[in-house]
Amino acid sequence: SAVISQKPSRDICQRGTSLTIQCQVDSQVTMMFWYRQQPGQSLTLIATANQGSEATYESGFVIDKFPISRPNLTFSTLTVSNMSPEDSSIYLCSAAGTDTQYFGPGTRLTVL
Amino acid sequence: AQSVTQLDSQVPVFEEAPVELRCNYSSSVSVYLFWYVQYPNQGLQLLLKYLSGSTLVESINGFEAEFNKSQTSFHLRKPSVHISDTAEYFCAVTYGIHGSSNTGKLIFGQGTTLQVKP
Repeated sequence: SAVISQKPSRDICQRGTSLTIQCQVDSQVTMMFWYRQQPGQSLTLIATANQGSEATYESGFVIDKFPISRPNLTFSTLTVSNMSPEDSSIYLCSAAGTDTQYFGPGTRLTVL
Repeated sequence: AQSVTQLDSQVPVFEEAPVELRCNYSSSVSVYLFWYVQYPNQGLQLLLKYLSGSTLVESINGFEAEFNKSQTSFHLRKPSVHISDTAEYFCAVTYGIHGSSNTGKLIFGQGTTLQVKP
């Protein structure tokens, strides 16, 4: 199994600003993902974080709004840019093991 | 598009009663199925998974789920629930063969809130 940590655990931000969320895995993994969980909703995949190349975004998510970095096999960042109240969500990082995805504790973001 | 449907948004049940949380997925040749649990103000934890082999899979805390290919279902059951089982339960699926054509992307159901009452 993989142990995943995220920073920050929560934040309250002003409209128009940006926040970068960090995700650290305790072992090297091939695939990392970023999900969003809006209040009272299920999880939606934002993008696959690819090591050494640009992230692969799902329909409805764009790089300008959610730039992602993956500099190595244990670390990734997600930036939520030019935030609005609609971006208030929990953002979760995950890492794919041999046959299972493991999730970080999430970052609870509130945009005022 | 591939999808996962959890038929019940909320399931209230009394302590020590049995419970079933329903999950159906859109059909595919090859599929991996998961149940994740999210306790209040906590992250997602893997509860159990079906990859291949026996269609009945069990967790360490008494939950079980059965993969039914003909009904494209993966319902979660527990014969006797505890107050501590109160949580949000998510069914999820990934399609294809992991490590080859499958990218590992998980598709989640809408979630079912299990409320165990004393």
